[in-house]
Amino acid sequence: DVKVTQSSRYLVKRTGEKVFLECVQDMDHENMFWYRQDPGLGLRLIYFSYDVKMKEKGDIPEGYSVSREKKERFSLILESASTNQTSMYLCASINRGTQETQYFGPGTRLLVL
Amino acid sequence: AQKITQTQPGMFVQEKEAVTLDCTYDTSDQSYGLFWYKQPSSGEMIFLIYQGSYDEQNATEGRYSLNFQKARKSANLVISASQLGDSAMYFCAMREVGTYKYIFGTGTRLKVLA
Repeated sequence: DVKVTQSSRYLVKRTGEKVFLECVQDMDHENMFWYRQDPGLGLRLIYFSYDVKMKEKGDIPEGYSVSREKKERFSLILESASTNQTSMYLCASINRGTQETQYFGPGTRLLVL
Repeated sequence: AQKITQTQPGMFVQEKEAVTLDCTYDTSDQSYGLFWYKQPSSGEMIFLIYQGSYDEQNATEGRYSLNFQKARKSANLVISASQLGDSAMYFCAMREVGTYKYIFGTGTRLKVLA
């Protein structure tokens, strides 16, 4: 079974702090994604990566950066956390094949005070 | 632009009955994939079912089936014999073949009543 893990389920940070959210997948997937989920807005793509050190901006990249130094690990970085970044963050990776179904991690609920 | 619309923010269904969750999509591409995910209160998104735009038959996975009407651009999820454990948020999503961008709807919260 594909396993996607995220470093924290719940996180509380202060405004201005640098925040790291880590995602690890164990199935050698090339493509990984970071989404943000807010009520009434569904999931919005922040960044995705199609290979080590390769990344592309999604729909809402402002205020975020990412790092992919190893194939299995994709990190989301909030350079200076703000209260409007309080949200649920979901990481996903793709199972290559005809369906290319995304497999998701358990999510990190981030509260910025 | 691609778009997924889920018009039902919340729904109730009696245990053991069937329920249909609506999803319409908008795309100009001929080749695309449609997905349904379930998100329980724990937060994890669970893949339920997939339908390719060229698939002639509606997809089925156990109690889940996808009512795919290409001309109407709808991809409704049908859950048969609802169970209490089906209570969750359900998301419809689309991906255009050749891209890695997935578009998600805003979700439908389903509550199964005992």
